[in-house]
Amino acid sequence: DQQVKQNSPSLSVQEGRISILNCDYTNSMFDYFLWYKKYPAEGPTFLISISSIKDKNEDGRFTVFLNKSAKHLSLHIVPSQPGDSAVYFCAASIDYGGSQGNLIFGKGTKLSVKP
Amino acid sequence: ETGVTQTPRHLVMGMTNKKSLKCEQHLGHNAMYWYKQSAKKPLELMFVYNFKEQTENNSVPSRFSPECPNSSHLFLHLHTLQPEDSALYLCASSPSGGRGAGYTQYFGPGTRLTVL
Repeated sequence: DQQVKQNSPSLSVQEGRISILNCDYTNSMFDYFLWYKKYPAEGPTFLISISSIKDKNEDGRFTVFLNKSAKHLSLHIVPSQPGDSAVYFCAASIDYGGSQGNLIFGKGTKLSVKP
Repeated sequence: ETGVTQTPRHLVMGMTNKKSLKCEQHLGHNAMYWYKQSAKKPLELMFVYNFKEQTENNSVPSRFSPECPNSSHLFLHLHTLQPEDSALYLCASSPSGGRGAGYTQYFGPGTRLTVL
């Protein structure tokens, strides 16, 4: 059973508008969340992250919101630009007390920003 | 050269061939990972190495054999693969130790593998 779910396989948004990408998770032990962006024929690129002790993290046009009670996080991109067109992956991590945290990924949402 | 590099970028092999994928990271990280990405599936973690020691094998078939000679290099040796092993193989690295940002993984561009 998938622990990290991105239920929208695709999203289309007009340039200049807000893009909202959603992610749900089932494991309440997850304590760190990340968003990655992936262009075709490239590896995923780290975009932004949030710790479970916060509910919002902002970096330029990108903001991630975390709602722990709903086990839901979202990525807001505003304003959206055509160059943002890519597949966006949500990932979550559990601190097992070791020295690296394995990431669990969602299936991704393909964002298309139309000029 | 910076970041995480992978070679080759594309590989076509027969089921009886033996080949190897190479990953190198120039970020000073101590943890390295192999992932498999098949169409319409989430990224699947295959192996994790931390300070050159394998810390995770995610039930990967023995026809995939990883090797980590040092913290900067990671190999994936392939032999007698099946057509269903065709996928994008991604390498990643992360800093070790600490929580949060220490878990951020940085990916290479991947090797597109086709098994005939």
